[in-house]
Parts: sequence; structure tokens; C-alpha cells
Amino acid sequence: EAQVTQNPRYLITVTGKKLTVTCSQNMNHEYMSWYRQDPGLGLRQIYYSMNVEVTDKGDVPEGYKVSRKEKRNFPLILESPSPNQTSLYFCASRLQGTYEQYFGPGTRLTVT
Amino acid sequence: GNSVTQMEGPVTLSEEAFLTINCTYTATGYPSLFWYVQYPGEGLQLLLKATKADDKGSNKGFEATYRKETTSFHLEKGSVQVSDSAVYFCALRPDNAGNMLTFGGGTRLMVKP
Repeated sequence: EAQVTQNPRYLITVTGKKLTVTCSQNMNHEYMSWYRQDPGLGLRQIYYSMNVEVTDKGDVPEGYKVSRKEKRNFPLILESPSPNQTSLYFCASRLQGTYEQYFGPGTRLTVT
Repeated sequence: GNSVTQMEGPVTLSEEAFLTINCTYTATGYPSLFWYVQYPGEGLQLLLKATKADDKGSNKGFEATYRKETTSFHLEKGSVQVSDSAVYFCALRPDNAGNMLTFGGGTRLMVKP
């Protein structure tokens, strides 16, 4: 089944404790991205990647890092999480040249 | 910069009622326009799209027409069902930057039997 998977689905952590949210897609998509969803703000793009070893900042990249060492994986790294990073995070992928993005199920992160 | 504005929800309707969710945008040139739907506990799914002025996107009984003159892309459905209850997001992709989607704030639709 074609899908985007994220892990973990739920995470509660404390300020300053480094964490990684994994994202993997099995559709051989070149393009992957991370969004955060906050009430009333819709989805805002954090980072995106057009292909392996090619990443770029989205609208709200501060406090996040990403890497794209393999085509299928695009982990999101929070080196020192803070409470304002409490949010619902979505990973998405798309075949280059097409319009439809495929979204993962989301990761709900709480930073206390 | 680019932006998308949606009507605030929640929108509460009875089954078989007519639905309109307003969406207006600000962007230069001719962006592509999208409606995404998010069912409870799930990620977003593309509902429909329009890539040029006057295009009408349609899917599952939903429609939206790309109106360049009013910079709008309103979502409509003639007869909603309880299963349409979800959050709907309007989004645009600029015509000169194919890798960035700008989303509106989302509109929650609740359909009662």
C-alpha cells in the first residue's frame, strides 16, 4: 500500500531534550516536506526537500533541522525543544511534476 | 507575500443542506489552487484542484471554481452528508515556486443527521 508513515504518533517530552520524528514514504517520491498545524493557523511549512541531499527552509524553520540521506526518509529533528513547538506535525510527499501531496497520519508533540 | 483566507468555522449544517465554504487568496501571477480535507485523526487528503483561471475542480460532489477576477476559490456541495464532517483547507501553490504550499486556517464542517 502506498503510504507515508510517521513515528511516533504521540510524544510528550520536556524542554531541551532532543527528539527525532521519522517520516518514510514508499512511493519513490522526490519531494518531501514537513508541516506543523496549529489552531486557526492552518498548516505552515517547516522544511522541504526536492531530492536526496537537497533541503530548504519553509515558512517556520526556526528550531528545527532535517536531513535527506535517502530518498524514502525525511526525519525532523528538534535539537532543543521548547513549549512553543507543541503542535501537530505532518510529513508529506509528492512526485515531482505532479500536484497531489500525500500526507502522513500526523505526530502530536507536547513539550512541557 | 502569498496568503489564503478562509471563513472561520465551525460550520454546522443539517444533512442534505447546501454547503459553501469561502476561500480568497493573495498571490502574484496564476497560482494553482487546492482544497484539502482532513477527517478526524487523519492526515490531509487532496479533495480537488484547479490550475488556471475559470477551471472548475470537482470530486465526491464537491466543486470549486478558480475565479481570477475575485481571487476566490469557494468550495460548494449541493447536499452534504454526515460523512462530510471534517476540516477543509484551502491552499495555493505559486506559479513560480512549485514546492511551497500556503494553507488557509481551515474550516471545520459539522453535519448533523
